[in-house]
Amino acid sequence: EIVLTQSPGTLSLSPGERATLSCRASQSVSSTYLAWFQQKPGQAPRLLIYGASSRATGIPDRFSGSGSGTDFTLTISRLEPEDFAVYFCQQFGTSPVFTFGPGTKVDIK
Amino acid sequence: EVQLVESGGGLVQPGGSLRLSCAASGFTFSDYSMNWVRQGPGKGLEWVSYIGSSGSAIYYADSVKGRLTISRDNAKNSLYLQMNSLRDEDTAVYYCARDHLWAIDHWGQGTLVTVSS
Repeated sequence: EIVLTQSPGTLSLSPGERATLSCRASQSVSSTYLAWFQQKPGQAPRLLIYGASSRATGIPDRFSGSGSGTDFTLTISRLEPEDFAVYFCQQFGTSPVFTFGPGTKVDIK
Repeated sequence: EVQLVESGGGLVQPGGSLRLSCAASGFTFSDYSMNWVRQGPGKGLEWVSYIGSSGSAIYYADSVKGRLTISRDNAKNSLYLQMNSLRDEDTAVYYCARDHLWAIDHWGQGTLVTVSS
């Protein structure tokens, strides 16, 4: 079973700053199978990035994904007030079918 | 617009049963595989179960195998989760979730299941 680790646990930044979030897999993951989500309190997660680097429908271009193998990154180029939230990475596999990272909380400094 | 609406959550005693339902609209339900994903209070996301578009492929997380049963009715555009022998650790918000291109691309608003005596 592939385990996803996210760092840092919490990222404290100001609006307008750049956020860099890391997702590391315990073994190599196909880029096709790596996704990122945003979740705000009391809401369901929202898909941001699929296939490691493709933005989902309606996602602003300040969100970008990159990486391969075991190391993947979500970058938010300039934080907007609505971007302060928890971010999860997800990988598609066989057993279990989907695995999620523990999340990174981006909060206001 | 894709919509997934869960129902059936509530308070149940340990060892009890519940049946969750998810009504899908805004897309051709029979074309997509579906999942249940849960999130315990203050916790991260845990995938629970997957069912293929025709219902022939079914997978479960080890933590629920033998106790939870996923099913679907494509004629009714509905997904189900029969939950038996419930435990305290099954307490969570349960999300109905569609997957596409190896990612979960749409989520319902969730239904809360609380297992407590």
